Amino acid sequence: AQKVTQAQTEISVVEKEDVTLDCVYETRDTTYYLFWYKQPPSGELVFLIRRNSFDEQNEISGRYSWNFQKSTSSFNFTITASQVVDSAVYFCAFLMNRDDKIIFGKGTRLHILP
Amino acid sequence: NAGVTQTPKFRILKIGQSMTLQCTQDMNHNYMYWYRQDPGMGLKLIYYSVGAGITDKGEVPNGYNVSRSTTEDFPLRLELAAPSQTSVYFCASSYNRGLGEQPQHFGDGTRLSIL
Repeated sequence: AQKVTQAQTEISVVEKEDVTLDCVYETRDTTYYLFWYKQPPSGELVFLIRRNSFDEQNEISGRYSWNFQKSTSSFNFTITASQVVDSAVYFCAFLMNRDDKIIFGKGTRLHILP
Repeated sequence: NAGVTQTPKFRILKIGQSMTLQCTQDMNHNYMYWYRQDPGMGLKLIYYSVGAGITDKGEVPNGYNVSRSTTEDFPLRLELAAPSQTSVYFCASSYNRGLGEQPQHFGDGTRLSIL
């Protein structure tokens, strides 16, 4: 069965520090998709990134970067020079190509301290 | 663009009452989803729909019902509210399965308390 594990329940860092959020997934499928979503204190869910299993290129978007490694079944998310506005719960999610249901991890609550 | 709209934003119910959580999207998306998020937890899929007239159970469907009579609307019905259904409910939609082409778009959530 497919599974997404975010082992870090809660992380606190001081502003301007870099922080990495871990995501490990389990699947026997070769075609799948991985996602990261952000849930700020206001509660809405904001899509951040989507990756398919055939594209292992790392991606950078401003202060955000993602490291996808199939060899370790990981899709980690790094925030560089963190800011207080980055404080949120971050969810990693997984979708099999042959399925209609996205599976979410339990989320990592990130506190950026001023 | 309204995107995904959920109503109400907050609601308190007594045990045994029933209610419908409304969800509508104006993006002509085929796929719609209902999730619940319990405190400190991730999202669990309740029901989903791949198009008008088609619905399927997710991970935690018990105690809920859905219908999809139009592409735009995907209401979630609680028939006999129980304290275990206290949660935040999110509706989402996507053009296809929310894969490489389009992500899921989420509503702002409905915070429901059963007392």
